[in-house]
Amino acid sequence: DQQVKQNSPSLSVQEGRISILNCDYTNSMFDYFLWYKKYPAEGPTFLISISSIKDKNEDGRFTVFLNKSAKHLSLHIVPSQPGDSAVYFCAASLSDSWGKLQFGAGTQVVVTP
Amino acid sequence: DAGVIQSPRHEVTEMGQEVTLRCKPISGHNSLFWYRQTMMRGLELLIYFNNNVPIDDSGMPEDRFSAKMPNASFSTLKIQPSEPRDSAVYFCASSSGWGMRETQYFGPGTRLLVL
Repeated sequence: DQQVKQNSPSLSVQEGRISILNCDYTNSMFDYFLWYKKYPAEGPTFLISISSIKDKNEDGRFTVFLNKSAKHLSLHIVPSQPGDSAVYFCAASLSDSWGKLQFGAGTQVVVTP
Repeated sequence: DAGVIQSPRHEVTEMGQEVTLRCKPISGHNSLFWYRQTMMRGLELLIYFNNNVPIDDSGMPEDRFSAKMPNASFSTLKIQPSEPRDSAVYFCASSSGWGMRETQYFGPGTRLLVL
């Protein structure tokens, strides 16, 4: 049973524009959320995270927004660059667990010149 | 510093054969995770070790799968016998602590194809 869902398998965006990746979750107890980025033939790498006590966290060109009432989070990349072309995974965790991450299926982002 | 090391990077085997995947976590990390990635289900956690002890193996699909961590610098994931539906990319990850805020560092993965 997928508790973290990324309903868009792919996203194409022009260089310089904003990329918006979406993620929905079903377990209202999740209180920590992360985004990982994955290039082909490499493992995922941590990108950005947000705690449920916040609704926004920003790190350079990357901003994650959390809407707890809607059980929805999004990742904004502004401006998008060709090097951002990768698969992005959303993940969620419970604070009273050992850190077990539930991942979504991923969204393939392609940034075109 | 070297990251998480996995071997082999690619494995092609025939149905029924035993497959062993290997992982060397980052030195000093005491948590180790095995994941499987498929198109249909994305990244799934198979098993989690802390200080070489299996803590959560609820994601291990069936008895054909087993994992060991004999010491802090080595872990194996074994599939015996292998089946075509086991074809996937298997990732090992490690982190330096316990809890949700400890970043997990992933290895490059082992791409397994079972014919």
